[in-house]
Amino acid sequence: GIQVEQSPPDLILQEGANSTLRCNFSDSVNNLQWFHQNPWGQLINLFYIPSGTKQNGRLSATTVATERYSLLYISSSQTTDSGVYFCAAKTWDNNAGNMLTFGGGTRLMVKP
Amino acid sequence: KAGVTQTPRYLIKTRGQQVTLSCSPISGHRSVSWYQQTPGQGLQFLFEYFSETQRNKGNFPGRFSGRQFSNSRSEMNVSTLELGDSALYLCASSEGLAGSTDTQYFGPGTRLTVL
Repeated sequence: GIQVEQSPPDLILQEGANSTLRCNFSDSVNNLQWFHQNPWGQLINLFYIPSGTKQNGRLSATTVATERYSLLYISSSQTTDSGVYFCAAKTWDNNAGNMLTFGGGTRLMVKP
Repeated sequence: KAGVTQTPRYLIKTRGQQVTLSCSPISGHRSVSWYQQTPGQGLQFLFEYFSETQRNKGNFPGRFSGRQFSNSRSEMNVSTLELGDSALYLCASSEGLAGSTDTQYFGPGTRLTVL
């Protein structure tokens, strides 16, 4: 099955700094999502981005499908950005149904 | 639209017991997937149900089972609980069009502790 790897595993930033989180995947995908897991465990949708670039406020994401990677950019980070960021991917294999394969996550801590 | 709901939010059970978790998807969504999250294994796919049929299953023992009702609500059951079943169980809802682009939305999770 598809492999999804995220880097770095841990990231500590000072408030106001910018950061880039990376997600590599091993196969062609028709779904790639970025999530932020809040302290209570819920996965909050950030982006649905199997290809191209999207922006939402201080967050933006780019997926280069042909090179099998996606990047999540966080600009002017705030303490509320702290938490774990996951990317998850789904292949074109119809037998896989809707199964998402998750990366190991990037744990972000933003210090005031 | 209301989001994905899961009940209960927290559960404490003892080894050997069984447990049933419930998930109500977003209105109109026909696919419900279940995931287990543990510190050691991360987020792992359990199974997916679409139109009351299991469409895909992850690599978990037969003690883990599920079903989906005609209103798309889903339940998962874990029998003969083991300590290692302690985890956050997340359910995801989507329109369910296999092979297509289909955003998945997650519920708040059920945190199961097995003593």
